[in-house]
Amino acid sequence: DAKTTQPTSMDCAEGRAANLPCNHSTISGNEYVYWYRQIHSQGPQYIIHGLKNNETNEMASLIITEDRKSSTLILPHATLRDTAVYYCIVRPPGQNFVFGPGTRLSVLP
Amino acid sequence: ETGVTQSPTHLIKTRGQQVTLRCSSQSGHNTVSWYQQALGQGPQFIFQYYREEENGRGNFPPRFSGLQFPNYSSELNVNALELDDSALYLCASSPGMGSTDTQYFGPGTRLTVL
Repeated sequence: DAKTTQPTSMDCAEGRAANLPCNHSTISGNEYVYWYRQIHSQGPQYIIHGLKNNETNEMASLIITEDRKSSTLILPHATLRDTAVYYCIVRPPGQNFVFGPGTRLSVLP
Repeated sequence: ETGVTQSPTHLIKTRGQQVTLRCSSQSGHNTVSWYQQALGQGPQFIFQYYREEENGRGNFPPRFSGLQFPNYSSELNVNALELDDSALYLCASSPGMGSTDTQYFGPGTRLTVL
């Protein structure tokens, strides 16, 4: 079973920041938080991952709380092409990814 | 740098038949994982291959089998197809098996079993 809890769906206005929350209250000290997204009928696309510190790349920022029990993925300026299902995954060392149902993000014009 | 590719894109089979799906891993990657994604659900892990050996398996019956070749490409074979095998089959490659190794997914093969 997935170790994360995410809202089923969210809306965001085009051009605004999209903040996608994820709860992982049972995370262990050596488990990383990964984010992927899946645009309709395509393969999942890697976005970002982190352990303790906040991370930023060209796609998004990942904010992890100090107790590591939750995180937020931030898309700073959402576009219509960011409409997708977003998966937050906690990955135990040496294990494969366990996907939950994710959050369906709809970016609205 | 070439990404993960899969073939065919779509496939239609009938119940009881056998199917082989193919995956070419990203350049420099020696680990391949296969996932099954039913409609409306997240991907479910089938198994992983590392340097031509199976390295971990999810909750799938033995009629799901695989191979990895010396060039690290991979095949997924499914025997005695059932209607519930209809799904998107995803292949993902990674540079190793480390805990931080990110998996990169291919576009998937859509299998329909009639």
